[in-house]
Amino acid sequence: SQQGEEDPQALSIQEGENATMNCSYKTSINNLQWYRQNSGRGLVHLILIRSNEREKHSGRLRVTLDTSKKSSSLLITASRAADTASYFCATGPGGSSYKLIFGSGTRLLVRP
Amino acid sequence: NAGVTQTPKFQVLKTGQSMTLQCAQDMNHNSMYWYRQDPGMGLRLIYYSASEGTTDKGEVPNGYNVSRLNKREFSLRLESAAPSQTSVYFCASSEAGRDGGYTFGSGTRLTVV
Repeated sequence: SQQGEEDPQALSIQEGENATMNCSYKTSINNLQWYRQNSGRGLVHLILIRSNEREKHSGRLRVTLDTSKKSSSLLITASRAADTASYFCATGPGGSSYKLIFGSGTRLLVRP
Repeated sequence: NAGVTQTPKFQVLKTGQSMTLQCAQDMNHNSMYWYRQDPGMGLRLIYYSASEGTTDKGEVPNGYNVSRLNKREFSLRLESAAPSQTSVYFCASSEAGRDGGYTFGSGTRLTVV
């Protein structure tokens, strides 16, 4: 079963607009991560936010975490055509194994 | 380039055949993982190895076996392939406790006919 569920499943925006993707999860976590997957490729780690953090930035990415609502959001500002990809959230229960559970992803299309 | 290398990239098997998917990482990570990805779904964990010499089942282990050959290599074996195992398989590695997350290989696209 999936721990994280992304919303929306698909998103289409114009280049230059902001893109917001949401993730909800079910159980307590140690951290939450976001990954990007270009078509036919492996996943690439974007950003990690720990359970005691509320917001984190990396370049044009902004991630928020609300542990009381068991939800996170990923904001991509000033989107580019190259941002077209699928985005996945993954939750880490912690511990030595560092096992991640992935959601089903949001497919983002940025139109030139 | 440092990273996770998977072989082969593509494979077609007949039902009942066996094969081993190979994975190697050169980042000196302790933990390694095998996931499968089916259309419209996220990744589901098959097996993982927290450290050299240990392996554990994930969410969907049936029909698979793994071997952590050494710190660098983690192989996935299908003993008797079934059409339900048609999928894209990803290997990943990580160093527990760090903020770098997982590093993924480029995947093996497996079709069982």
